[in-house]
Amino acid sequence: AQTVTQSQPEMSVQEAETVTLSCTYDTSESNYYLFWYKQPPSRQMILVIRQEAYKQQNATENRFSVNFQKAAKSFSLKISDSQLGDTAMYFCAFMNLGALGDMRFGAGTRLTVKP
Amino acid sequence: DTEVTQTPKHLVMGMTNKKSLKCEQHMGHRAMYWYKQKAKKPPELMFVYSYEKLSINESVPSRFSPECPNSSLLNLHLHALQPEDSALYLCASSQDFRFGTGTYEQYFGPGTRLTVT
Repeated sequence: AQTVTQSQPEMSVQEAETVTLSCTYDTSESNYYLFWYKQPPSRQMILVIRQEAYKQQNATENRFSVNFQKAAKSFSLKISDSQLGDTAMYFCAFMNLGALGDMRFGAGTRLTVKP
Repeated sequence: DTEVTQTPKHLVMGMTNKKSLKCEQHMGHRAMYWYKQKAKKPPELMFVYSYEKLSINESVPSRFSPECPNSSLLNLHLHALQPEDSALYLCASSQDFRFGTGTYEQYFGPGTRLTVT
């Protein structure tokens, strides 16, 4: 079974600073997808960034980028120029290509951006 | 239009009631999902539908009964729930994953906050 671990239950960062959220996962599969989702307080969960395991290049989406280390089974999220609207719960998620549709989430990291 | 809608937003029901949660998407997705999310916890997968057929049932109690009337709609029928079933119920949809195409990320609705009294 796949497990996803987020070791930082809570983090905070000053506005305009950079913060990195960590995620590790455990799998014996070689083909899979990894995702970071953001869930603001009392608001909808939205996709932040996606990484296909077969791609060596790290995914980036504007201020969000990942550091994907396949051998280490690590998938960290870096948020640059943090904004107050980035305050949210961040979930790392894993989906095995052999079990598409079955997405497993980590416990989440609550990020607070301080003015 | 990348929107998944859910109704109602809030629902309070007694343990003997029967109610339904509804989910709708118009993105042409053929995979739809129900998740249960307790406070400060990650979503837990309950059911997955692919092409209107149930493909994953995560051993959910029979008091939860899913239904997929067509490719855009997903219902969750509730009957004889327990107080511990109180949670946020999330619906999601994604491109179909059966044929190895697409990017598979799931788009979530805002959820229905259910309270069982």
